[in-house]
Amino acid sequence: DTAVSQTPKYLVTQMGNDKSIKCEQNLGHDTMYWYKQDSKKFLKIMFSYNNKELIINETVPNRFSPKSPDKAHLNLHINSLELGDSAVYFCASSQGTAELPLHFGNGTRLTVT
Amino acid sequence: GEDVEQSLFLSVREGDSSVINCTYTDSSSTYLYWYKQEPGAGLQLLTYIFSNMDMKQDQRLTVLLNKKDKHLSLRIADTQTGDSAIYFCAESTFREGGKLIFGQGTELSVKP
Repeated sequence: DTAVSQTPKYLVTQMGNDKSIKCEQNLGHDTMYWYKQDSKKFLKIMFSYNNKELIINETVPNRFSPKSPDKAHLNLHINSLELGDSAVYFCASSQGTAELPLHFGNGTRLTVT
Repeated sequence: GEDVEQSLFLSVREGDSSVINCTYTDSSSTYLYWYKQEPGAGLQLLTYIFSNMDMKQDQRLTVLLNKKDKHLSLRIADTQTGDSAIYFCAESTFREGGKLIFGQGTELSVKP
């Protein structure tokens, strides 16, 4: 199936741990994104990459480090997890940055205890 | 600054039409979108409209854009229980390519 897929779907971990979320798209898109959805369902962009190059970084703490090994993958690594990091993280992709729309993955629900 | 506002809840009866409204502040918005999110699921793109259009119809969905008032609406005809979900309005501009600004989402509840 053509899609944006994220793993894992659920992630429960303790404060202070380091964790990663993986994202892959097989739509042939060259731009990928991470969005965060908080407990009130509010969605906000965190990062975007175009052809493996960072183009948007929205004042996210530097404990969050995106990595794009190729244009089909964008992973999110989080160091020293805090309670406030609990949220649903969505990966998305698009063809270019002006030719939207974005196609979203199904999300990773991160719970920090 | 950029802001997108939606009402939080809407309840309709099955078979009625639903109208979900959205207002935005950025006059340079290029595209406006409607996404649907079912419980525990991701965001599904329903439809989008370019800012030089004022209407777009796609089966049961009608999008109306009033650029002067910066008002966007989504009409769902013959609403079904399967349409119950959260609907997000979003806008983007060429100058901040790829960055969507989302509204808070409208939770649509369809009663049989």
